[in-house]
Amino acid sequence: ELKVEQNPLFLSMQEGKNYTIYCNYSTTSDRLYWYRQDPGKSLESLFVLLSNGAVKQEGRLMASLDTKARLSTLHITAAVHDLSATYFCAVAFNTNAGKSTFGDGTTLTVKP
Amino acid sequence: GAVVSQHPSWVICKSGTSVKIECRSLDFQATTMFWYRQFPKQSLMLMATSNEGSKATYEQGVEKDKFLINHASLTLSTLTVTSAHPEDSSFYICSAPGRLSSYEQYFGPGTRLTVT
Repeated sequence: ELKVEQNPLFLSMQEGKNYTIYCNYSTTSDRLYWYRQDPGKSLESLFVLLSNGAVKQEGRLMASLDTKARLSTLHITAAVHDLSATYFCAVAFNTNAGKSTFGDGTTLTVKP
Repeated sequence: GAVVSQHPSWVICKSGTSVKIECRSLDFQATTMFWYRQFPKQSLMLMATSNEGSKATYEQGVEKDKFLINHASLTLSTLTVTSAHPEDSSFYICSAPGRLSSYEQYFGPGTRLTVT
């Protein structure tokens, strides 16, 4: 059974600081996704990482994938309040993104 | 980009009644759609894969007779919660693979079901 673990589950940080969210998964897979969810809302796709060593960046967020270590990271640079949300990583069972196993999510709160 | 809609966005129903939730792909065809549920402050759990023109594939532990899925067209999948109970109260989200790549996934806005 594929397991996906995120840590930390809760993260409170000051604006302007940097931090990293970690996502470990138990079974070989080279398709990993990062999503953002605002309270009461659905998911917003942030990144799709398809191969070992993949790195993608959008604004203050950068995601990377190490398939050998079964680890993905989401790095936050110079956090701002607008980044406050819950972030999920998800690993796909097969080529179809929809059949994914999600981590428990990391709730990020950025304080002024 | 591709858009997936859900209707209704929220619904309140009484125990024992059935509720139908629609998931539509608005500007593309989706032969496959996925249904997830999310309890408050928890993660998403895949319930089933909806296949156009054939039976849905349910994940282990999901009651097929309780959560009826119908994918009657290339743009519409429906989830019917039958004989709803308070423990079925949850946030239900559908998704569909992208037009250009099944690696991409587009999520609907979700339907919040409250069973009283």
